[in-house]
Amino acid sequence: QAVLTQPASLSASPGASASLTCTLRSGINVGTYRIHWYQQKPGSPPQYLLRYKSDSDKQQGSGVPSRFSGSKDASANAGILLISGLQSEDEADYYCMIWHSSASVFGTGTKVTVL
Amino acid sequence: EVQLLESGGGLVQPGGSLRLSCAASGFTFKSYAMSWVRQAPGKGLEWVSAISGSGDFTYNAASVKGRFTLSRDNSKNTLYLQMNSLRAEDTAVYYCSKGGFLGAFDIWGQGTMVTVS
Repeated sequence: QAVLTQPASLSASPGASASLTCTLRSGINVGTYRIHWYQQKPGSPPQYLLRYKSDSDKQQGSGVPSRFSGSKDASANAGILLISGLQSEDEADYYCMIWHSSASVFGTGTKVTVL
Repeated sequence: EVQLLESGGGLVQPGGSLRLSCAASGFTFKSYAMSWVRQAPGKGLEWVSAISGSGDFTYNAASVKGRFTLSRDNSKNTLYLQMNSLRAEDTAVYYCSKGGFLGAFDIWGQGTMVTVS
């Protein structure tokens, strides 16, 4: 079982909100971790979006619009990236990441399609 | 402008070696941890290695431990990844990134392709 699991794909309409989940493996408590989110468009390197641990411990990447935000669902043991007001330019792959046992671990990635 | 420029990728036979370089500019290089992250063709991101700002501490992914060595020359603002005993599964685009050791990878280079075949 992967440390971080993300749905393979998600589709939504322009202007809608998209909620991307990053589920931590059983036994790894989401409350303990800062969850980082990255966006990658085809043919380009990833870009840092934000990190979220709690409302008092969060950081927005430089130049990242506020319609990208982070949260957690403790009951699901998951981190969440919320994209509000989806735009065509948001079509990309999204990866979550945590530091676990002195190693960086990336999620499996979610491909977001804006219909 | 903050910039990372990788070089050194190419085609190498299994069992061979390659050294990647990453030239940094636009920030105080010695003050930041640096990392390498790779991406196999059509696959997701995989962290490879991280080094502290001083160069005193390094961490490697289990998949490259004992084969890859990360180092830095703070006088030249350059990061190096020495890759030995290369395998087909090491084929990937290798990205240099600013950050590591619990922090975000907030700046990325354009990447350099390594093909082991």
